[in-house]
Amino acid sequence: AQRVTQPEKLLSVFKGAPVELKCNYSYSGSPELFWYVQYSRQRLQLLLRHISRESIKGFTADLNKGETSFHLKKPFAQEEDSAMYYCALSGLGDSNYQLIWGAGTKLIIKP
Amino acid sequence: AAGVIQSPRHLIKEKRETATLKCYPIPRHDTVYWYQQGPGQDPQFLISFYEKMQSDKGSIPDRFSAQQFSDYHSELNMSSLELGDSALYFCASSSKGLAGGRGETQYFGPGTRLLVL
Repeated sequence: AQRVTQPEKLLSVFKGAPVELKCNYSYSGSPELFWYVQYSRQRLQLLLRHISRESIKGFTADLNKGETSFHLKKPFAQEEDSAMYYCALSGLGDSNYQLIWGAGTKLIIKP
Repeated sequence: AAGVIQSPRHLIKEKRETATLKCYPIPRHDTVYWYQQGPGQDPQFLISFYEKMQSDKGSIPDRFSAQQFSDYHSELNMSSLELGDSALYFCASSSKGLAGGRGETQYFGPGTRLLVL
């Protein structure tokens, strides 16, 4: 079964500290993994996708197929990083491209 | 750059009323997805359309229906509204044609916040 697990509902770190938001997935095949961010009262925005291997706003994520993980990392947290972060997986069925969502992690950056 | 447009942004209805939410995808995008996000919850997939045909169906109640029109905009029709339908309804669009149909990026609209009283 396709499943995305974000084990932490809330993560609170101090400004300048490293951040790691965990994401594990279950999928039989080659998944497409994404991180979406939702700032307070704003729309969901794509933060990054594993296939592009870009670093957005200082965040990076590496797909580890052995551990079936796609953890989101940033070396130095900033206050404006406070938001909800969702890990998502794209199904690769015939025409099934819906995103399978993790439950989200609320990141709070303390000053 | 043009983004996904949703209307209305806010909607207040009473129980048993009907509501219609509209979604205008990014130009040249051929696929539209609808998600429902309850308070404090992760988004739940409802339904999607590709080239005006339903392509996938998720946890959409029978009271809801949706379609994609010739100009690729989509409407989500909700009838016999219940209190539990109060949520943020996101629309997203993507282009399967350009991406070759593999895990293409979905771009989200601002959402319609529905409150059922």
